[in-house]
Amino acid sequence: DTGVSQDPRHKITKRGQNVTFRCDPISEHNRLYWYRQTLGQGPEFLTYFQNEAQLEKSRLLSDRFSAERPKGSFSTLEIQRTEQGDSAMYLCASSDGVGTGELFFGEGSRLTVL
Amino acid sequence: QKEVEQDPGPLSVPEGAIVSLNCTYSNSAFQYFMWYRQYSRKGPELLMYTYSSGNKEDGRFTAQVDKSSKYISLFIRDSQPSDSATYLCAMSDRLYGNNRLAFGKGNQVVVIP
Repeated sequence: DTGVSQDPRHKITKRGQNVTFRCDPISEHNRLYWYRQTLGQGPEFLTYFQNEAQLEKSRLLSDRFSAERPKGSFSTLEIQRTEQGDSAMYLCASSDGVGTGELFFGEGSRLTVL
Repeated sequence: QKEVEQDPGPLSVPEGAIVSLNCTYSNSAFQYFMWYRQYSRKGPELLMYTYSSGNKEDGRFTAQVDKSSKYISLFIRDSQPSDSATYLCAMSDRLYGNNRLAFGKGNQVVVIP
């Protein structure tokens, strides 16, 4: 499978714990995005990487959130001291930035904070 | 006011009917307009892409953009049960570099056999 891969698919955690999600983009894609989607809402932009550089962050990305893409390949999104309001689907997308610049989304990592 | 407004009401139609979905937006800088389809517990997948104003047709799907009214539409002809999904409109002002997409809330469409 050469699509965008995310892991884990579902994470249940207690409030206050730290969680980390991983995204493996399509191999030749140099652009990587994280979005968050809550129930009944469309995805909301969180952050964007071009290769290993994090070039843009939404104000939705509080200090408890950190994202990395250390070698310009896979990316991680860590949430520290989780809150119930963090419960959402975290979507990763990648793009090669040419043509239509289509974003290819993974199936998401669903976070439930108890 | 949100950048993109999409009435999130669910829509149930009989098989073979025409499905009509629409979004409005406030940011006049948006140039690229997309419709994504999202099946339950899956990520969104690109269905239609349109640049600036105009119509685009792909099989049973037609996308329309009216930039003067800041209004976009998606029509699905001869709807099939396999079209049952959530449809999200999305738009962007930048194709290259950060193609940050602003999404609508989505419409859940159910096509009844």
